[in-house]
Amino acid sequence: GENVEQHPSTLSVQEGDSAVIKCTYSDSASNYFPWYKQELGKGPQLIIDIRSNVGEKKDQRIAVTLNKTAKHFSLHITETQPEDSAVYFCAASKSGTYKYIFGTGTRLKVLA
Amino acid sequence: EAGVAQSPRYKIIEKRQSVAFWCNPISGHATLYWYQQILGQGPKLLIQFQNNGVVDDSQLPKDRFSAERLKGVDSTLKIQPAKLEDSAVYLCASSLEWGNTEAFFGQGTRLTVV
Repeated sequence: GENVEQHPSTLSVQEGDSAVIKCTYSDSASNYFPWYKQELGKGPQLIIDIRSNVGEKKDQRIAVTLNKTAKHFSLHITETQPEDSAVYFCAASKSGTYKYIFGTGTRLKVLA
Repeated sequence: EAGVAQSPRYKIIEKRQSVAFWCNPISGHATLYWYQQILGQGPKLLIQFQNNGVVDDSQLPKDRFSAERLKGVDSTLKIQPAKLEDSAVYLCASSLEWGNTEAFFGQGTRLTVV
């Protein structure tokens, strides 16, 4: 069935360093890839998304890259700040069902 | 713009009891989702509505879970009877239209079954 694998499960970086989270999806028909940030006690919040017709998208300190051939996509956060500490989830969806399949999450800790 | 509202925030019940969760999506949002998030895992879709019709409930344990979305607005998710493994956060989300668009999540209801 449809599956999204996410690595690493935890990630600690020093403030100001970069963080990279990687996801791999199984369904080649997937064409929409959102990234969500979940803070403690809150629901997930969209931070960036990418569609299959684009290879890279950037929004200030956050960027996402997509490799359709390899079926993987990555989240890049530069100049990390303590407020970036949270759990990040990748997801994949495809036209017709529009059902998000989520990864298992990455707990990011930014050390001051 | 008000967000997705869920209640209650927390619920503790004994196994075999019943429980219901309520969700009010963002005004005008046609698509509504219920997700189950077990501690340490990503959200798993239980059921997806388009207006008041069910689009996908393939992962809903229908022997104990039920959901409805009357009048295509707010929704309730019920568990009857609850099992220990139902302990999780139940998240409601909505999106403006049918398609690959942003889903807005509520804060969730944390259910503990003892």
